Formats: sequence, structure tokens, C-alpha cells
Amino acid sequence: EAQVTQNPRYLITVTGKKLTVTCSQNMNHEYMSWYRQDPGLGLRQIYYSMNVEVTDKGDVPEGYKVSRKEKRNFPLILESPSPNQTSLYFCASSLIPGGGETQYFGPGTRLLVL
Amino acid sequence: QKEVEQNSGPLSVPEGAIASLNCTYSDRGSQSFFWYRQYSGKSPELIMFIYSNGDKEDGRFTAQLNKASQYVSLLIRDSQPSDSATYLCAVLDDDSGSARQLTFGSGTQLTVLP
Repeated sequence: EAQVTQNPRYLITVTGKKLTVTCSQNMNHEYMSWYRQDPGLGLRQIYYSMNVEVTDKGDVPEGYKVSRKEKRNFPLILESPSPNQTSLYFCASSLIPGGGETQYFGPGTRLLVL
Repeated sequence: QKEVEQNSGPLSVPEGAIASLNCTYSDRGSQSFFWYRQYSGKSPELIMFIYSNGDKEDGRFTAQLNKASQYVSLLIRDSQPSDSATYLCAVLDDDSGSARQLTFGSGTQLTVLP
């Protein structure tokens, strides 16, 4: 079954404690991205990756890091989380750059930073 | 900054009626347009995409695109309570390089009343 998995699904942490949200896809997609979703703001892209070792900033990259060492994995790293990073995060992968009709979303990770 | 605008709603329609959801976009060069359905707490699910001016029908859903007016809409015929969700409009720019990006609207919350 084609899928994008994320872990953890729910996370409560404190300001400044580094955390990583993992993302993995089993479709051999080259393009992967991370979004955050906040009430009234829709989904905003944080980072994207065109392929292994190729990553670039989206619209809201501040406070986040990513890496793409393997094609299937695209972890999101918060080095020093702050309360304004409390949000719902989605990882996505697609066959074509930008997403579109080939894009699959992960189930989401709800993060609360105290 | 590319913008995608949607009326946040909530939009309420009675069961069996036609629900009409609207979206405008700022980038005249945009080429691909998508509608996602998102149930509360779940990930977005692609329901329609359209590339050419005019109408595209898929079951009870019809997407309409007017590039001259920079306007895309989604009609849901014979609305069912199970259609109650937030509908996200997304626009893909026409950059053929690595910078292609999917920009989302903030979503319209639809409630279908039994």
C-alpha cells in the first residue's frame, strides 16, 4: 500500500528541547515536503526536497532544519522549539516537483510546545 | 507573494443541495489547480484537479476554472452529511524548474445539514 508515515503522531515538549519528526514514504518519490497547518492560515510549506541531498526552503523555514540522506526519509528537525511552532505538521511526497495530483500526505503530527 | 484566497465559511447547505466553493488566486501564470478535502484532524485528500478553462466533472464533483478571472470553483451536487469537511484550494505555479510550489488557500468549512 502506497503511504507516507510520520512519527510521532502527537508530541508535547518544552521550549528549547530539540526534537525530530520522522517522515518515510514507500513510493520511491523524489519530491518530498513539509507543511505546517495553523487555524485560518491553511497549509504553508516549510521545506522541500527534490532528491537525496537536495533540499530548499519553503515559505516558513525559520526555526526548522531538514535532511535527505535517503530517498525514502525526510525528517524535520526543530533544534530549539518555541511555542510559536505549536502546530499540525504534514509530510508529503510526490512523483513530480511541487506535488499536485501525485502528492500523498502523511497522517500529520500534532505538536505542542510549552 | 503568491496568494490563494477562499471564503473561510462556515458554509451550510441542506442535504441534497448543491454546495458551491470558490477560490481566487493572484499568480496569473498558475497552470494547475487542485481541490482537497480535509476532515477534522486528518490529512488533506485530493478530490479534483483541473488544468484547462471550463468544467471538469467527476461523479458529484465539478471543478470550474476561469483563468481570465483567476477563479476556480468546486461544485458538490446532491450534498451529503459525509461531505462535511474543510475544502482546500491549491494552486501550482508554472515554474518548470525546482521552484515549483503548491500554494494553499486557508480552506472553506462546509457543513451539510441532514
